[in-house]
Amino acid sequence: DAKTTQPPSMDCAEGRAANLPCNHSTISGNEYVYWYRQIHSQGPQYIIHGLKNNETNEMASLIITEDRKSSTLILPHATLRDTAVYYCIVRVANYNAGNMLTFGGGTRLMVKP
Amino acid sequence: EADIYQTPRYLVIGTGKKITLECSQTMGHDKMYWYQQDPGMELHLIHYSYGVNSTEKGDLSSESTVSRIRTEHFPLTLESARPSHTSQYLCASSEWSNTGELFFGEGSRLTVL
Repeated sequence: DAKTTQPPSMDCAEGRAANLPCNHSTISGNEYVYWYRQIHSQGPQYIIHGLKNNETNEMASLIITEDRKSSTLILPHATLRDTAVYYCIVRVANYNAGNMLTFGGGTRLMVKP
Repeated sequence: EADIYQTPRYLVIGTGKKITLECSQTMGHDKMYWYQQDPGMELHLIHYSYGVNSTEKGDLSSESTVSRIRTEHFPLTLESARPSHTSQYLCASSEWSNTGELFFGEGSRLTVL
């Protein structure tokens, strides 16, 4: 699976949009981009995933560049409860891959009042 | 809300004791996983299972063992606990599909004295 690069930490003001970048320059055509977050040592929580089109759900939006070498997770109106470590993961969607997700260091997002 | 449960949430135990961390899910998921995470560090996959009677070792070598006798149950056992086993253990499950969405439990924080 392709390696991802994320900034180790970011700050965001409460109520503003949080834009979390992820670089995955070696991504293959059949690899998806997944985002999870982990709030203070709880189990990670799935946020969103996409292949090449932008995706939106009730939690966030995922913007994937046309060349798919990078993506941005957008939390439109960050709240204090969004303070967490955000993981960007790239993996192939394959029945035989066992849905194994490799978590890297992630970005520690601090939402400030 | 994910229906995956881990017990105990916290365990402090002496060296040499046998411990079993329990993980149960009520979603009927075929795939289950154990991740290990030290404080402030990355998650590492230590065991996974595709279904009943299937168990595989993950990316990180672990002295723990697992079993999968029932679909909903995936316990992790340490025959003789050591201080080096002190960590948080996170259980997860997923459907047999390509979505990659993992549902995590709250974790079991183990301290071996």
